[in-house]
Amino acid sequence: TQLLEQSPQFLSIQEGENLTVYCNSSSVFSSLQWYRQEPGEGPVLLVTVVTGGEVKKLKRLTFQFGDARKDSSLHITAAQPGDTGLYLCAGSLTGNTPLVFGKGTRLSVIA
Amino acid sequence: DSGVTQTPKHLITATGQRVTLRCSPRSGDLSVYWYQQSLDQGLQFLIQYYNGEERAKGNILERFSAQQFPDLHSELNLSSLELGDSALYFCASSRGTGIPTDTQYFGPGTRLTVL
Repeated sequence: TQLLEQSPQFLSIQEGENLTVYCNSSSVFSSLQWYRQEPGEGPVLLVTVVTGGEVKKLKRLTFQFGDARKDSSLHITAAQPGDTGLYLCAGSLTGNTPLVFGKGTRLSVIA
Repeated sequence: DSGVTQTPKHLITATGQRVTLRCSPRSGDLSVYWYQQSLDQGLQFLIQYYNGEERAKGNILERFSAQQFPDLHSELNLSSLELGDSALYFCASSRGTGIPTDTQYFGPGTRLTVL
């Protein structure tokens, strides 16, 4: 059983469209992180959210941590081909436990 | 470039063999983490070392072992290899012990293929 479920698993959209990907759990996390991974490379951290209800923006990317700290979403506005990649969410159950990763959403943005 | 280096980039070996994967953390980082990434399981935490000492352990098989040396580089040893061990192995490093604000920087990975 996967502790963090990501959906959708695959997403293919046209350049300029908006999209939202989700990361859900039945467990409460002390913090959640989002990473982007490109082929042949390791994941790169995009954001860390630690407070329930927290919203963080990174240019066209908006990250939200659920009020109950069990879920998170990533919204991309006006997607570009450079956004293509595998988006991974990862969480820490307590402040000092190793990260648990979801299986990811594979995004393809077509020009 | 994250500053974390991993060697080799690719490794092809046979079942039953033993291999060693090497990781050099970013300058100044004291923690090294090892992860395994496969299509069916996703990215899974194996083990963490902090300043030479084992700090946390995940779903690491008994056939696998790791260590962090005084110069802070780390090695992951995989023995009695099975077909199912074929995966991408990532090393990450961070400045501190791994609290949420302690960013992990991932290396480019080693792709292990067991035939």
